[in-house]
Amino acid sequence: GAGVSQTPSNKVTEKGKYVELRCDPISGHTALYWYRQSLGQGPEFLIYFQGTGAADDSGLPNDRFFAVRPEGSVSTLKIQRTERGDSAVYLCASTPSGETQYFGPGTRLLVL
Amino acid sequence: TQLLEQSPQFLSIQEGENLTVYCNSSSVFSSLQWYRQEPGEGPVLLVTVVTGGEVKKLKRLTFQFGDARKDSSLHITAAQTGDTGLYLCAGADYNQGGKLIFGQGTELSVKP
Repeated sequence: GAGVSQTPSNKVTEKGKYVELRCDPISGHTALYWYRQSLGQGPEFLIYFQGTGAADDSGLPNDRFFAVRPEGSVSTLKIQRTERGDSAVYLCASTPSGETQYFGPGTRLLVL
Repeated sequence: TQLLEQSPQFLSIQEGENLTVYCNSSSVFSSLQWYRQEPGEGPVLLVTVVTGGEVKKLKRLTFQFGDARKDSSLHITAAQTGDTGLYLCAGADYNQGGKLIFGQGTELSVKP
């Protein structure tokens, strides 16, 4: 079956702009996670959804970052007033049971 | 704060050599997972270890989980050029929704 998909695969934006990153999890997976991976580093946890609700958003760096999952499937990560330091690969993962997480290919965000 | 320290950060070896990657923490994890990541892709799960002292083998790869469930190692025997990639360890705490805490990664280059 289809894996986790993320769109766009690449996004270039200017400092101060607003961006939305989309994640389509594997069908039926109730848990969805967002991570951010900077160059040369391992992924860092941002936020975790169980169904429609954000169960843990402790990894969001500041209030410019927000994520939603209104119908318990697709999720959107929203970044307001982007800064150059937001440049990274944003990874999404889903799981049916909270154990093995299946990752998407990521969205590469570059803020100029 | 749970942290995972992974070493070495970079490793360049000749085909046929053996290597070991280490992942250490002061925290206890519910499970520890090893991923491999190719450029432009998300991490792909290699193995999950759950029980202290557990050893798992995947062809030429051997994974160990420390007795105290705080550290792990990945040993590759007779490395091949196809083993080249980024190897990531990640600890999961199921009391915190299963979010993953990643190490910094080990960039492995196997030369012919």
